[in-house]
Amino acid sequence: ETGVTQSPTHLIKTRGQQVTLRCSSQSGHNTVSWYQQALGQGPQFIFQYYREEKNGRGNFPPRFSGLQFPNYSSELNVNALELDDSALYLCASSSRGLDGYTFGSGTRLTVV
Amino acid sequence: GQQLNQSPQSMFIQEGEDVSMNCTSSSIFNTWLWYKQDPGEGPVLLIALYKAGELTSNGRLTAQFGITRKDSFLNISASIPSDVGIYFCAGQLRGSGGSNYKLTFGKGTLLTVNP
Repeated sequence: ETGVTQSPTHLIKTRGQQVTLRCSSQSGHNTVSWYQQALGQGPQFIFQYYREEKNGRGNFPPRFSGLQFPNYSSELNVNALELDDSALYLCASSSRGLDGYTFGSGTRLTVV
Repeated sequence: GQQLNQSPQSMFIQEGEDVSMNCTSSSIFNTWLWYKQDPGEGPVLLIALYKAGELTSNGRLTAQFGITRKDSFLNISASIPSDVGIYFCAGQLRGSGGSNYKLTFGKGTLLTVNP
């Protein structure tokens, strides 16, 4: 059983650019959540997808958007990058109704 | 965004000592989770609590779901060097029908264990 995999592991972008981060959920999981973790902080909820439908959104601007695919993998897109978007982006998968979330190792995004 | 109040912010202890950390919220949760995060990795689930007053153990780790549903604590007994890392609490308000929803995290407790 594979865990949650995220790509790329590290990324450097320029302010104003757009970025796409990818996540493959753990086998058997149909729910994917994205979190932003700034340095020295706990993860902050961005949004969640369940069976390709958005199932909740945190306090992030519309520049943050996402998709979930039929195989339950997911993408996080961020447009018009700002310096404050620099953070570790974590993907977590779960199976609706079961225990806990399995997190990936994250994508470290640096905006310069 | 909202973050839970987690304390202490950091701890420096000797190997073999016991550790206690706690987490409080201004709002109620029906699930409390404790995670550990190592450098360069995502959080790993340690313990999940689903019922007010529940006390659950996982090896040397023990966690309790506060009776008010607004707090939780985690104890680590007989600490070892590999316990080093950042510990996060997270609250969740599960919807009816078992739907999973967002986790609200604390800011973390950095644990350092001196051998």
